[in-house]
Amino acid sequence: AQKVTQAQTEISVVEKEDVTLDCVYETRDTTYYLFWYKQPPSGELVFLIRRNSFDEQNEISGRYSWNFQKSTSSFNFTITASQVVDSAVYFCALIQRGYGNNRLAFGKGNQVVVIP
Amino acid sequence: GAVVSQHPSRVICKSGTSVKIECRSLDFQATTMFWYRQFPKQSLMLMATSNEGSKATYEQGVEKDKFLINHASLTLSTLTVTSAHPEDSSFYICSAVDRGGGSSYEQYFGPGTRLTVT
Repeated sequence: AQKVTQAQTEISVVEKEDVTLDCVYETRDTTYYLFWYKQPPSGELVFLIRRNSFDEQNEISGRYSWNFQKSTSSFNFTITASQVVDSAVYFCALIQRGYGNNRLAFGKGNQVVVIP
Repeated sequence: GAVVSQHPSRVICKSGTSVKIECRSLDFQATTMFWYRQFPKQSLMLMATSNEGSKATYEQGVEKDKFLINHASLTLSTLTVTSAHPEDSSFYICSAVDRGGGSSYEQYFGPGTRLTVT
């Protein structure tokens, strides 16, 4: 079975503050992929990043950064110097290779509210 | 590239009627398409997996006679909500896997269809 836990449901920050979203996953396979998606109020899912289980390098893309720690089964996401446009729901997701047509398991999501 | 469209984006229907939602991959061929349902302030819940030319695989608890899925071509899958009831009101999202893509794990998501049943 595969499972993704995003413990924080709603996080409010003042503009320009940093915010970190935690993602903890469970899987029995050694080969898997982790994702982060952004869902703004419009509803459309926006792909942010994909990381495979063999690549533990952290990644930075502009104000976004990701910390992948296999030892703790975590794939945390940080938004630096948050902006109002960052207000959205963020989902962490996992695909375990060979698990039923490569189905995505989503976490419950983090609602981020950036206050101007 | 890798664009998925959904039509309609919003639909309001009366209880008891059927509604068809289309999911199209615009610039790639999709071996597999997924249908998700999302209730307000909740996560995406996978409803079914459809492979071109074969019957859809439904998740536990999803009524296959109520949510009819047809994946007739490599670029089109349809979800028909039959005899809709107000509790079927939800946000329906499809995704598609690129047949020719480098990764078989990348799912490209459509913009979603908001269904309201009155």
